[in-house]
Amino acid sequence: DTGVSQNPRHKITKRGQNVTFRCDPISEHNRLYWYRQTLGQGPEFLTYFQNEAQLEKSRLLSDRFSAERPKGSFSTLEIQRTEQGDSAMYLCASSHRGSDEKLFFGSGTQLSVL
Amino acid sequence: AQTVTQSQPEMSVQEAETVTLSCTYDTSESDYYLFWYKQPPSRQMILVIRQEAYKQQNATENRFSVNFQKAAKSFSLKISDSQLGDAAMYFCAYRLPGGADGLTFGKGTHLIIQP
Repeated sequence: DTGVSQNPRHKITKRGQNVTFRCDPISEHNRLYWYRQTLGQGPEFLTYFQNEAQLEKSRLLSDRFSAERPKGSFSTLEIQRTEQGDSAMYLCASSHRGSDEKLFFGSGTQLSVL
Repeated sequence: AQTVTQSQPEMSVQEAETVTLSCTYDTSESDYYLFWYKQPPSRQMILVIRQEAYKQQNATENRFSVNFQKAAKSFSLKISDSQLGDAAMYFCAYRLPGGADGLTFGKGTHLIIQP
């Protein structure tokens, strides 16, 4: 599989629970991005990794959100104490330096907080 | 901060006709990239076309072409010979070279193809 893979595709949780999403980027890509997309809006940037280093975080990323990319391969995004406002599609994208600035996206994880 | 504006929430076109989607952006930079992404109901973002700001020639990919007006900060997408499979949300996006925040997206235009 040569695309960006995200799991799970859908997650339903109760308010206050913790959730974790996984993203497997295209294997040779050293840059990884997380975005959040709510209905009727374009994706909004959350955070950026270059290899294993988290180099940029949006102010949208509250203290309840944490992202990791151990060993510069896959990445996880955890949301603690979920709130109804966290309901959204969480998109992962990857790119490689010299790839003409193109980002390749996964299919996303749709989170519903009840 | 850079902003991207798509003023058409929804557009409709007859199959086989041509449609143009509008996009404007605001930046003080001279070197940047512009993109159009397609998001079908499956929700996966698919790259349609890419334009480098330092190139005056408009990008073309098969039935898709852009009209890039740098001075006006305008970047419209033209879809020729529209097909049913073109129905989707279309997002215009901006990026600085090596930008750590990746892409800045507009709110999108919902394209409807009428058979």
